[in-house]
Amino acid sequence: GAGVSQSPSNKVTEKGKDVELRCDPISGHTALYWYRQRLGQGLEFLIYFQGNSAPDKSGLPSDRFSAERTGGSVSTLTIQRTQQEDSAVYLCASSFPAGGGYEQFFGPGTRLTVL
Amino acid sequence: QKEVEQNSGPLSVPEGAIASLNCTYSDRGSQSFFWYRQYSGKSPELIMSIYSNGDKEDGRFTAQLNKASQYVSLLIRDSQPSDSATYLCAVRPGGSTLGRLYFGRGTQLTVWP
Repeated sequence: GAGVSQSPSNKVTEKGKDVELRCDPISGHTALYWYRQRLGQGLEFLIYFQGNSAPDKSGLPSDRFSAERTGGSVSTLTIQRTQQEDSAVYLCASSFPAGGGYEQFFGPGTRLTVL
Repeated sequence: QKEVEQNSGPLSVPEGAIASLNCTYSDRGSQSFFWYRQYSGKSPELIMSIYSNGDKEDGRFTAQLNKASQYVSLLIRDSQPSDSATYLCAVRPGGSTLGRLYFGRGTQLTVWP
């Protein structure tokens, strides 16, 4: 079946502009995660959605970052007033508790460049 | 602070050798452990998951878990040049079944022909 999809694959923006990144999880997956990976760095957790529960926003680096998940499926990560340090690959993952695995599967990512 | 540490590498092995990748974690209550492979410029790809002490084998890959020592490893037998990638260890803390993963910084593996 189809995996996690993300769009756009690349985004170049100017400092101060707002950007929206989209994630479409694997069909039927109830949990959705956003991570960020700066060049040469590890994965940094941003936010996690599970069903109708309140999202875990503990990883969002500032109030310029927000995310929503509509209808328990597609998610949008919004970065307002982008800064150069926001340049990174933004990765989305989804998960479903089948067989106790709770494994996370990643999408291809969105490469964000802030000029 | 829940930390995941990996041997820093880079690790270089000849084709056909065994590559050994190591990971330690700080949260003693952690229950779920994962290894991801990340090719340059690509997203992480799940290759192994392990939940119980001992070994788990899948093809050329063997994951080993020792919860008492808070240690998880990945062995790649008969290493191939196509195994050259960064390997990420990920841990889910105890008390959480679907929560976030904590990732190590990765070990870069090069398999030379």
